[in-house]
Amino acid sequence: AQSVTQLGSHVSVSEGALVLLRCNYSSSVPPYLFWYVQYPNQGLQLLLKYTSAATLVKGINGFEAEFKKSETSFHLTKPSAHMSDAAEYFCAVSERGGYQKVTFGTGTKLQVIP
Amino acid sequence: DGGITQSPKYLFRKEGQNVTLSCEQNLNHDAMYWYRQDPGQGLRLIYYSQIVNDFQKGDIAEGYSVSREKKESFPLTVTSAQKNPTAFYLCASSILAGEETQYFGPGTRLLVL
Repeated sequence: AQSVTQLGSHVSVSEGALVLLRCNYSSSVPPYLFWYVQYPNQGLQLLLKYTSAATLVKGINGFEAEFKKSETSFHLTKPSAHMSDAAEYFCAVSERGGYQKVTFGTGTKLQVIP
Repeated sequence: DGGITQSPKYLFRKEGQNVTLSCEQNLNHDAMYWYRQDPGQGLRLIYYSQIVNDFQKGDIAEGYSVSREKKESFPLTVTSAQKNPTAFYLCASSILAGEETQYFGPGTRLLVL
């Protein structure tokens, strides 16, 4: 069975500092991996998706994530935080082959301090 | 513009009442989903539908029901059997089920009076 663990329910960074949000996954087959962002009282929006084309995936708003099979990780990074990055971020995993549901992590709330 | 709409934005339920949350998409997606979001628990799948007239239970289907009579519509009914319905409900759709990107609606917040 697939699962995803997000380390840290709350992360605070200063404006301009590096953003690092951690995600580890468990999957019995090569996975698809996703990062979504949610602003308060809104739905989720896709930031980026890993589908095996490249291990370093670039997304919207300057975010990127690297798929590391040996570490079963898919951490989300951004070199310089902006106030508008304050939101909740969800990592998600889906297994390949036929229909497989998407399993979401519990989320990490990012606070950006001016 | 294509997208997913959910209504209402806020919904109040009285004791013993069934309420229905609306979800409509004009993206021509085959698959649709309902999630429940509670603080600190992420998103939990209630029901999903891969095609019209077909749907399957997710992880927390008890106390909920759905229908998929049209490709564009996937309403969720919260029945009186759901004893703790207060949550944020999100509807999503994707081209196909599984690895495809899911597109989310703005959500409905359900509160109990």
